[in-house]
Amino acid sequence: GQSLEQPSEVTAVEGAIVQINCTYQTSGFYGLSWYQQHDGGAPTFLSYNALDGLEETGRFSSFLSRSDSYGYLLLQELQMKDSASYFCAVTANDYKLSFGAGTTVTVRA
Amino acid sequence: DADVTQTPRNRITKTGKRIMLECSQTKGHDRMYWYRQDPGLGLRLIYYSFDVKDINKGEISDGYSVSRQAQAKFSLSLESAIPNQTALYFCATSDSGAVETQYFGPGTRLLVL
Repeated sequence: GQSLEQPSEVTAVEGAIVQINCTYQTSGFYGLSWYQQHDGGAPTFLSYNALDGLEETGRFSSFLSRSDSYGYLLLQELQMKDSASYFCAVTANDYKLSFGAGTTVTVRA
Repeated sequence: DADVTQTPRNRITKTGKRIMLECSQTKGHDRMYWYRQDPGLGLRLIYYSFDVKDINKGEISDGYSVSRQAQAKFSLSLESAIPNQTALYFCATSDSGAVETQYFGPGTRLLVL
């Protein structure tokens, strides 16, 4: 089976940087994804890391260390619209996504 | 028009009733999924289908069944609804070569009384 851990809540001010960590225990690991979900909305795909290192997409970056079974999502220049839940999810050799419980990010003015 | 649609968007039913949630997609993806979301538990996989002739149980399939009527349609049934099936249900699709990138429908909010 798959097991993922991420913090339940993070609060920060506009313009700040937030890092959401995700540790996983997965057999047959392929990669780590991140999804964003606004309150009442559908999850939307943000990023995917299959190899070690940092992937940057605008204000958001995602990092993976396969040897440490660890990844993080970095949100820079926080904006009010970034207030949402963020889920890490692993893909393994069963070709499914297994999601973490999610991190609620609250951005304050 | 939305790529992944779900009907109904909201449903209230009574214990013991059979209900069906429907999902349609216009993305042309082979793979479709049903998830359940409860507060603090993230998204849990109920059933998934890699093509029309392929149906697989997820981690919480008890009390649910599915039907893949066509490549574009995947429905979820609750045979005899119970209150702890009250949740937000999402359908999702993915291309067969990119299971990590899933496209979710808007969700169905189900209340079982």
